[in-house]
Amino acid sequence: EAGVAQSPRYKIIEKRQSVAFWCNPISGHATLYWYQQILGQGPKLLIQFQNNGVVDDSQLPKDRFSAERLKGVDSTLKIQPAKLEDSAVYLCASSLVVAQVVGEQYFGPGTRLTVT
Amino acid sequence: KQEVTQIPAALSVPEGENLVLNCSFTDSAIYNLQWFRQDPGKGLTSLLLIQSSQREQTSGRLNASLDKSSGRSTLYIAASQPGDSATYLCAGQTIADGLTFGKGTHLIIQP
Repeated sequence: EAGVAQSPRYKIIEKRQSVAFWCNPISGHATLYWYQQILGQGPKLLIQFQNNGVVDDSQLPKDRFSAERLKGVDSTLKIQPAKLEDSAVYLCASSLVVAQVVGEQYFGPGTRLTVT
Repeated sequence: KQEVTQIPAALSVPEGENLVLNCSFTDSAIYNLQWFRQDPGKGLTSLLLIQSSQREQTSGRLNASLDKSSGRSTLYIAASQPGDSATYLCAGQTIADGLTFGKGTHLIIQP
């Protein structure tokens, strides 16, 4: 079974530029998550989708971050404009939903963003 | 709001020792708890998932326990090996939310 795919794996941009990350979840997984992991910290949830809809985006900095999940499969996370403090690893995860209960989360390899 | 704390932040032990990593959480309404391993520059690998109705899970040399009443989970690693060196992350989940992670325990197993 293929795992969660993410691209690119690495990205270096200058502050005030924009950047986009792509995630393809495990086939059949209705729930998709984006996490931000700053060096030395645990991952922090940015946004959670179930199918096409947003379940939780309370920790997403909406003035600069946006995310979408078209057709309930792939998802894109965008940052515009980027700040130095956005330097982090961006992790995508997916999980099955059974009887309205979210199951184990499976993570992709992440995208390491460096903002200079 | 769920908060997860992991102790110790770092641990270095000789090969062959048994060790325990600790995780505490503030919201007893936790639905499941996952332990992950993260190697440098890599993503997260799920080690064990404990549902709230369970008290422990075992996989090979790993055993994880969950005590909702005290808000604690432990990860026990038996007969440690240098290949076990990594950062271990604990994360709790309520029934429909994303995971709340601790900061992790950085483990070094000395050959």
